[in-house]
Amino acid sequence: EPEVTQTPSHQVTQMGQEVILRCVPISNHLYFYWYRQILGQKVEFLVSFYNNEISEKSEIFDDQFSVERPDGSNFTLKIRSTKLEDSAMYFCAANQEQYFGPGTRLTVT
Amino acid sequence: EDKVVQSPLSLVVHEGDTVTLNCSYEVTNFRSLLWYKQEKKAPTFLFMLTSRGIEKKSGRLSSILDKKELFSILNITATQTGDSAVYLCTPSGGSNYKLTFGKGTLLTVNP
Repeated sequence: EPEVTQTPSHQVTQMGQEVILRCVPISNHLYFYWYRQILGQKVEFLVSFYNNEISEKSEIFDDQFSVERPDGSNFTLKIRSTKLEDSAMYFCAANQEQYFGPGTRLTVT
Repeated sequence: EDKVVQSPLSLVVHEGDTVTLNCSYEVTNFRSLLWYKQEKKAPTFLFMLTSRGIEKKSGRLSSILDKKELFSILNITATQTGDSAVYLCTPSGGSNYKLTFGKGTLLTVNP
């Protein structure tokens, strides 16, 4: 299984702070996705990214969220001003088979 | 609205039993049906099915897709305690293969 890595594994931040979650897919991956899973709930789609631009986003992905692939390898999710309800596991996935990275646990206090 | 319904929501069996997990779905512009196993953290890819009636097998796990009835099943034979997990059925759809998740089936295999 192609390996997707994510950093950090756990991020604790205060409400209102900005966070950047990073994902490193395999170099030949073309499609990238961010999902999140609030504790005890189902996995939710946030955004898909193809050809260096957003191709689809969910209602959750509001103006506080942004994604980019600045250097052709790292794929980042930025949350500008975190809220308590942003606390969740955030998963990056790549390609049509959607191999998931190990996730980043975001805790907003 | 895209949706996924899995049944049962939870299942408790003994080692050696065979289980069948069910999945029905509705999704716009269906592309494929994926099964994942989720233990403590990230979902682990099991299968991707794209064609109707094609059965995929991997060891003790197998899956069939019925695109006409919008249904898929996952079979696990000779279950082991290591099979204990949440099993997620996710249709891929839209123009960008996004996944729609349901609540999954929590499988517990007791020794």
